[in-house]
Amino acid sequence: EIVLMQSPGTLSLSPGERATLSCRASQSVSSSLLAWYQQKPGQAPRLLIYGVSNRATGIPDRFSGSGSGTDFTLTISRLEPEDFAVYYCQHHVNPPPTWTFGQGTKVEIK
Amino acid sequence: QVHLQQSGPGLVKPSQTLSLTCAISGDSVSSNSAAWAWIRQSPSRGLEFLGRTYYRSKWYNDYALSVKDRVTVNPDTSKNQFSLQLNSVTPEDTAVYYCAGGHSAFSAWGQGTLVTVSS
Repeated sequence: EIVLMQSPGTLSLSPGERATLSCRASQSVSSSLLAWYQQKPGQAPRLLIYGVSNRATGIPDRFSGSGSGTDFTLTISRLEPEDFAVYYCQHHVNPPPTWTFGQGTKVEIK
Repeated sequence: QVHLQQSGPGLVKPSQTLSLTCAISGDSVSSNSAAWAWIRQSPSRGLEFLGRTYYRSKWYNDYALSVKDRVTVNPDTSKNQFSLQLNSVTPEDTAVYYCAGGHSAFSAWGQGTLVTVSS
């Protein structure tokens, strides 16, 4: 079973700063099946990035994804107040059909 | 824009069956390129995929190994919705349950339902 490990657990930054979030897989994964989600308190997760680097509909271009193999990165170029949230990476493999989420990185206001 | 609306009880007794429904608007449960899933979230287990249904000339289901013996996800084409049934629940099944789906990863999500398993 592939495990996704996100780091850091918490990132303390100020608005306007750059955020770099890491997602490392326990074994090499297919890039086409790596996604990132944002979740705010009391809300459902929201898809940001799919296929490593494709922004979902309506996602601002300050969000970007990159990586391959076992190491993937979500970058927020300049943090806006609404970006402070928890971010999850997610991967899908088949067989057996498995969707795995990382444990999350919290981006908090410094 | 796809909208998912969940419904179902927030309290289930141990050993009973948890049942939730997710109504789809803006897309079709029978779409040949979408998939419709149930995911739950708890402090102890994080985000956990439970199962999904999708149509590719015929209906398919995928289930997480952790709940495979207890879970069923069914489409209802007449109402454009899909459902979750989780049998023999225990307090460990207490979580926020989400329906989700779409054509690229989980692009649409329901509002979430807190389900508590307690007598």
